[in-house]
Amino acid sequence: GENVEQHPSTLSVQEGDSAVIKCTYSDSASNYFPWYKQELGKRPQLIIDIRSNVGEKKDQRIAVTLNKTAKHFSLHITETQPEDSAVYFCAAHTGGGGADGLTFGKGTHLIIQP
Amino acid sequence: NAGVTQTPKFRVLKTGQSMTLLCAQDMNHEYMYWYRQDPGMGLRLIHYSVGEGTTAKGEVPDGYNVSRLKKQNFLLGLESAAPSQTSVYFCASSYLLRSNQPQHFGDGTRLSIL
Repeated sequence: GENVEQHPSTLSVQEGDSAVIKCTYSDSASNYFPWYKQELGKRPQLIIDIRSNVGEKKDQRIAVTLNKTAKHFSLHITETQPEDSAVYFCAAHTGGGGADGLTFGKGTHLIIQP
Repeated sequence: NAGVTQTPKFRVLKTGQSMTLLCAQDMNHEYMYWYRQDPGMGLRLIHYSVGEGTTAKGEVPDGYNVSRLKKQNFLLGLESAAPSQTSVYFCASSYLLRSNQPQHFGDGTRLSIL
């Protein structure tokens, strides 16, 4: 089945700086890669996603890049703000065969230092 | 604007007791999922359903059963609770995931097994 590795597990950046979280996946058939933000005690919330036919997608301060050849994708947050502090999860979906649903990385705790 | 609703929000059980977690969605989604979230482990898929009357195993199905008698409801059962099942359980739903529609999560059920 699919395996998703996420790094780093903790990331501390100064307010206003950029943050980058990286994920790799194992199944070359994976075709959908969402990113979720989870605040303490809350549900995961989708912040951005990318399909396998797209290399990059941007939404204001958030962008995601996908390298299908290398099987990795990254989340980029620019001009970080205190409200960006949360745990971020990447995920991959293979879309058929074996277990359906999403395979998640183990999460990155992003800390924005004032 | 309910989305995905989970009940109960909290529960404490003794080892060997049984219980059922309820997930209800009002978005007419075909797919529904149950995940568990443990510290440092991300979210792991327990079972999922691709439509009314169908269920399938995910990554960590042992010790759980599910039923999807109505399209809007997805039940997760623990027949004989064990301390290893102490976790936060999230339900999610989506349209056909092969069409790459995002999953929407409920608020979670925090379950403790003593």
